[in-house]
Formats: sequence, structure tokens, C-alpha cells
Amino acid sequence: EAAVTQSPRNKVTVTGGNVTLSCRQTNSHNYMYWYRQDTGHGLRLIHYSYGAGNLQIGDVPDGYKATRTTQEDFFLLLELASPSQTSLYFCASSERQNYAEQFFGPGTRLTVL
Amino acid sequence: AQSVTQPDARVTVSEGASLQLRCKYSYSGTPYLFWYVQYPRQGLQLLLKYYSGDPVVQGVNGFEAEFSKSNSSFHLRKASVHWSDSAVYFCVLSDTGNYKYVFGAGTRLKVIA
Repeated sequence: EAAVTQSPRNKVTVTGGNVTLSCRQTNSHNYMYWYRQDTGHGLRLIHYSYGAGNLQIGDVPDGYKATRTTQEDFFLLLELASPSQTSLYFCASSERQNYAEQFFGPGTRLTVL
Repeated sequence: AQSVTQPDARVTVSEGASLQLRCKYSYSGTPYLFWYVQYPRQGLQLLLKYYSGDPVVQGVNGFEAEFSKSNSSFHLRKASVHWSDSAVYFCVLSDTGNYKYVFGAGTRLKVIA
């Protein structure tokens, strides 16, 4: 069974702070995704990648950078965190696009004070 | 543009009663459609998916969904709910043109005794 892990599970930072969220998947999936979940919006795609070194822009990319260092690892970077980025962040992976099931991590709750 | 609408933000049903959660989509091509469930403090898990063939698809834990092209709908059903079905349910569309997944806002289901 695919496994997607995220760290940290909870993070509190201050406005202007620097935050890195980590995601690792161990099922050799090509595609990885970062989402944020906010009440009333469902999940919104921030960035995604289809392989090491690749990065694609999602629907809500402003204020976020991402990097895919290996097939397993995908990082989300907030270099100047703002209160509007307080949210629940999910990482997911899938073997391919379209009809493939996405496997989700447990989420990281980020609070920006 | 592609979109997914879940018109009911919250649904409350009695244990043992039948359930329907509504999903309407907007997409010009042939949609890949999914239902995911999110239990408290967990990531999302796949319930079922549809691309073609029989419009009624079976999923896990007694869930099924019916695709209707004429109504642009993909409603989720269960004949008899259990208290453990209390969760948030997401309808998701795969945008084959952009290789992204589009999420509805989610429906929070509460099952009462």
C-alpha cells in the first residue's frame, strides 16, 4: 500500500517567518501534489510535479515555492509566511494523472501568527 | 472552465437511513470522477472512481455512485449509513487537459443515533 508521510504535523510561525513542509512517498509514484484545505473551498492545488526536478504551478501558487528533490521527496516552502497562509496542507501522490487514485498524507496544520 | 459543485455543505442523517450526497460537475470532455472521504484528523481516502461503462459504480464500505452525463452529476449513495460514516466527502474531477484534480468544497456528513 502506498505510503505518504508529512512533517511536521503541526507548525506555528510568525508573520514573515520561513517555513518548509516536507512530504515523502514510498510507492515510487511519479506525480506529487501540494494542496491546501480551507473551509468552504475544499482542496486547492498549490504546486505539483511529475518527477524529480520538475515543478508545475497549481491554482493558488502565490507565496509558495516547491521543490522535488527526488522521486520520493517534495517540499513546500513559505519564505515570508503570512496569516492568510494559515491552513491545513496535504501532500498527495499518484502513479499517473487522470484516472489514477491519489494517495494522501495525514496533513500539516500550519498557523501563522 | 472545469468545476465541481457540492451543493450541500452539511448533511445529517439517522443511523440506518439511506444517504445521497450530491455532486454536479462542469467539464467539456469525458470526465474522470472520484469520491474521496476524509475522516477526522486524517488524509483523504478513495471511495470509488468512474470513467466509462456502467454508470453505477461500486465502492468501498457499501457506497456507490451514479454518473449521469445528461445531468452532469455524480451522486454518491449508501443504502444504510452507520455512525462511522460521519466524515467529510469530496467529489473530484480529473482535468485530463491540465493533468490536475479539481475538488468540490466537500459535504460534511453527520450520522446521528
